[in-house]
Amino acid sequence: DGGITQSPKYLFRKEGQNVTLSCEQNLNHDAMYWYRQDPGQGLRLIYYSQIVNDFQKGDIAEGYSVSREKKESFPLTVTSAQKNPTAFYLCASRNVGQRGQPQHFGDGTRLSIL
Amino acid sequence: KQEVTQIPAALSVPEGENLVLNCSFTDSAIYNLQWFRQDPGKGLTSLLLIQSSQREQTSGRLNASLDKSSGRSTLYIAASQPGDSATYLCAVNPNSGGYQKVTFGIGTKLQVIP
Repeated sequence: DGGITQSPKYLFRKEGQNVTLSCEQNLNHDAMYWYRQDPGQGLRLIYYSQIVNDFQKGDIAEGYSVSREKKESFPLTVTSAQKNPTAFYLCASRNVGQRGQPQHFGDGTRLSIL
Repeated sequence: KQEVTQIPAALSVPEGENLVLNCSFTDSAIYNLQWFRQDPGKGLTSLLLIQSSQREQTSGRLNASLDKSSGRSTLYIAASQPGDSATYLCAVNPNSGGYQKVTFGIGTKLQVIP
């Protein structure tokens, strides 16, 4: 079945540590997105990529980094510069061949601070 | 800047009742609007997508309507079941060229009581 796989499901970060969240899709979608979800807030865009080897900052990119070396993969690194990383992180992808195509989401990674 | 509001924030209904969830948006220049379902600790599952030229979309017991001029959409759930309990989010896709940033509402948390 085609879909988006996020791993791990739960992740714990020690102070000063960088951690990487994995996102893999086999939908052959060009565009991939990372969102952060906090209680009482809508999804906020961290980074997005519309093509391999290219990505753009979203609304809350500070303290995060990404790479897009392969079409299927869009890992997110939460760096030590992100002082409030505790949140639910969602990865999404979309077919950009036709405008307005819906986003497909993974099951998320919950990140907490130790 | 597009803002999406969902009212009510939470709703509790007895099983079998018909119900309506509301979504409003401030900028009527949208390309389409999408309704999602989110179960606790999970990603978003797409329910219905309405193009700006459409008035409604139906899938099973779900019916979504769109009034672009007034900036409103409703999700109607007929004969609610306990399995419908989840958070329902709406998201709007702007009618602008280039990258289309999707704006999400915070969601309505629905509980259907057996």
